[in-house]
Amino acid sequence: NAGVTQTPKFQVLKTGQSMTLQCAQDMNHNSMYWYRQDPGMGLRLIYYSASEGTTDKGEVPNGYNVSRLNKREFSLRLESAAPSQTSVYFCASSGRDRRSTDTQYFGPGTRLTVL
Amino acid sequence: KQEVTQIPAALSVPEGENLVLNCSFTDSAIYNLQWFRQDPGKGLTSLLLIQSSQREQTSGRLNASLDKSSGRSTLYIAASQPGDSATYLCAVRGDAGNMLTFGGGTRLMVKP
Repeated sequence: NAGVTQTPKFQVLKTGQSMTLQCAQDMNHNSMYWYRQDPGMGLRLIYYSASEGTTDKGEVPNGYNVSRLNKREFSLRLESAAPSQTSVYFCASSGRDRRSTDTQYFGPGTRLTVL
Repeated sequence: KQEVTQIPAALSVPEGENLVLNCSFTDSAIYNLQWFRQDPGKGLTSLLLIQSSQREQTSGRLNASLDKSSGRSTLYIAASQPGDSATYLCAVRGDAGNMLTFGGGTRLMVKP
């Protein structure tokens, strides 16, 4: 049981380049999330997907797009990277577990630098 | 808009001390509150989740309490150990939607 996995772990981009961050979970969770973590700003929600086939904006969606490819996978795309998007990106998932809670489980993160 | 604050931002204690981390939130209409641990360069690990109808949750040496009406939660760590050194984050989920709002975290160092 790998939990939540993210690729890549590290990435350096030049301004204007595009890339897709991949996330997958093997816990059969319905909901998946993308957060960014910045010093002094804490964790902020970018987008989330409450169930397969749906996506919604979070607190800071500008400059990003997402795709819920299937129940397991939720990708985050930067179409034209900007230095302000330098951050650590976390994917998370949640679902009703055996205690009927909806604990969010996080992946290890992707450290992105935009030059 | 929900705002979550954690005090103190950093804490250093000798091994063996009992300690309390504080979390406050501005909107009491919450669905649940979750405490996480984050080690340097790593992701978040869930420690405890308290539903809005609950007053506390316990796991081993950790005890989290929730006072929804006053907008406060505390994480109590008993008999602290150097391995407890990490950043502790609290996050609240509102009544509407799945979004978590995070506090800025408390960076804890337990000295041997």
